[in-house]
Amino acid sequence: DAKTTQPPSMDCAEGRAANLPCNHSTISGNEYVYWYRQIHSQGPQYIIHGLKNNETNEMASLIITEDRKSSTLILPHATLRDTAVYYCIVRVNLRIAETSGSRLTFGEGTQLTVNP
Amino acid sequence: NAGVTQTPKFRVLKTGQSMTLLCAQDMNHEYMYWYRQDPGMGLRLIHYSVGEGTTAKGEVPDGYNVSRLKKQNFLLGLESAAPSQTSVYFCASSPLRTGGPVYGYTFGSGTRLTVV
Repeated sequence: DAKTTQPPSMDCAEGRAANLPCNHSTISGNEYVYWYRQIHSQGPQYIIHGLKNNETNEMASLIITEDRKSSTLILPHATLRDTAVYYCIVRVNLRIAETSGSRLTFGEGTQLTVNP
Repeated sequence: NAGVTQTPKFRVLKTGQSMTLLCAQDMNHEYMYWYRQDPGMGLRLIHYSVGEGTTAKGEVPDGYNVSRLKKQNFLLGLESAAPSQTSVYFCASSPLRTGGPVYGYTFGSGTRLTVV
């Protein structure tokens, strides 16, 4: 799996957009970018994933650069409840890696603190 | 919709004691996983299963055993607990194929284990 690099911590004002960067310069062509978050002491929660096109859902937007070597998770209007550790993970999609179980490897992530 | 349920939520063990952690999912997912998370660190994969009756080792399998006798249940056993196994344990499940409105892993709320 490709290695990812994230800043250890970030701050954001409530109501503003939070932009969380992730570098994955060794990503290969069939690897997806996944984002999860973990709110204090809870189980990680899936946010979004993408391959090459930008993606948006009800929680966030994912912007992947054209060369796919980096991506940004955007929380458009951060709230205090978005304070969490955000994990960027690169992995082959389940459909391709059925026999291996498509294990996700979690790094140390970015601690996002949303301030009032 | 319960999702992934872990029992117990908290446990204190003495060194050398044994115990079993239970993970149950009601989403008919093929894959199930056990992770541990130490303070300030990301999740590390202990064991995983790609289907009923099959298990495989993850990153940190030593000191643990698992069983998947039923598709919906994944058990994690500690035969002789050690203080180094003090951690928060998370179970997760994922479908065989991505598709539809749900992608990626669904995590349980965790089991906080202290070995004294």
